[in-house]
Amino acid sequence: AQSVAQPEDQVNVAEGNPLTVKCTYSVSGNPYLFWYVQYPNRGLQFLLKYITGDNLVKGSYGFEAEFNKSQTSFHLKKPSALVSDSALYFCAVRSDGNNRLAFGKGNQVVVIP
Amino acid sequence: EAEVAQSPRYKITEKSQAVAFWCDPISGHATLYWYRQILGQGPELLVQFQDESVVDDSQLPKDRFSAERLKGVDSTLKIQPAELGDSAMYLCATSPDRGLFNEQYFGPGTRLTVT
Repeated sequence: AQSVAQPEDQVNVAEGNPLTVKCTYSVSGNPYLFWYVQYPNRGLQFLLKYITGDNLVKGSYGFEAEFNKSQTSFHLKKPSALVSDSALYFCAVRSDGNNRLAFGKGNQVVVIP
Repeated sequence: EAEVAQSPRYKITEKSQAVAFWCDPISGHATLYWYRQILGQGPELLVQFQDESVVDDSQLPKDRFSAERLKGVDSTLKIQPAELGDSAMYLCATSPDRGLFNEQYFGPGTRLTVT
């Protein structure tokens, strides 16, 4: 079975500082990785995805993520956090052998002004 | 920009009552998903449609939950009878097709409270 681990419940960061949200995954076969963001009382919004190719992928709102196959990780990063980045972030994975999208439990990001 | 529509946004019901949620996908999106998101957790797939056909309902509690997408466009998820443990956010998502590489587009969700 495929799964995603997001080890931290909450990430606190000062505005202007770098932001990192951690994600590790477990799949059989090639992984296809996604990051989504959820604002209060809203559905999930797609940020970026890794399918193949360059390990560093860039997405919406200045976010990027780095795929590391040996560490089975796909950490989300932003060089300079904004207060408006405060939200719930979900990592998700699919694989060749499983079409179902498996989500992690989410990380609450709090950007402090 | 086209969006997935869901209604109602909020629903409060008593246990043992019936409840229904509606989803209108982005035009042309053939694949539709219903997820349940319990507070503090990530979404979990309940059912997946390709056009009007169910392709994955292995996680759907079929004794009380049902879903349909009769014309391959909008969809309804029903719970009968509702139980206290069904309190959650119910999310609808769509994508152009079943491709593994496709991101999914989510609606705003229906927050269900069962009392």
